Amino acid sequence: DGGITQSPKYLFRKEGQNVTLSCEQNLNHDAMYWYRQDPGQGLRLIYYSQIVNDFQKGDIAEGYSVSREKKESFPLTVTSAQKNPTAFYLCASSPAEGLAGIADTQYFGPGTRLTVL
Amino acid sequence: AQKVTQAQTEISVVEKEDVTLDCVYETRDTTYYLFWYKQPPSGELVFLIRRNSFDEQNEISGRYSWNFQKSTSSFNFTITASQVVDSAVYFCALSEAGRDDKIIFGKGTRLHILP
Repeated sequence: DGGITQSPKYLFRKEGQNVTLSCEQNLNHDAMYWYRQDPGQGLRLIYYSQIVNDFQKGDIAEGYSVSREKKESFPLTVTSAQKNPTAFYLCASSPAEGLAGIADTQYFGPGTRLTVL
Repeated sequence: AQKVTQAQTEISVVEKEDVTLDCVYETRDTTYYLFWYKQPPSGELVFLIRRNSFDEQNEISGRYSWNFQKSTSSFNFTITASQVVDSAVYFCALSEAGRDDKIIFGKGTRLHILP
């Protein structure tokens, strides 16, 4: 089945430790995104990538890092510099067909709930 | 600047009632896209609809319908004959075409369908 997988579903870490969240897609989508969701809030964009080996900061990139070495994979590292990392993290992808004036639909993975103790 | 407002934080209705979720957006662009997503308790966002700014026709999909009115910058979502499985958080979102496909989300409306 085509889709987006995120692992693990729940993640616990001690304060001060870096942690990497996995996101894999087999939809052959070019673009991938990371969002953070806090209780009662909408989604806020952390990083996005429209092509392999390239990525851009979103609205709340501080304390996070990403890589895009393969089209299928877009891992997110939550570093110790992130002051309040406990949140629900959602990964998404879109075809990014590059058509001028067209906004692609983003499709989401199941999310990872990170709790920092 | 672009913005999406979902003024209803939480709504509760009894099963089989109709319910409308409001969405008001702000944008300076003439070409933009509006979305609705459903987030059930499992957490994954499920895509429901995408509508571009040049298509003001209302859309119906089963028990779901959407009313797009550019004059009031609204894109409201109605569930007819609600069911318990409709209980979820619903997000309205806006994308200004050409802006790297970035989507701005509203804060969501939590819908409770009571049996």
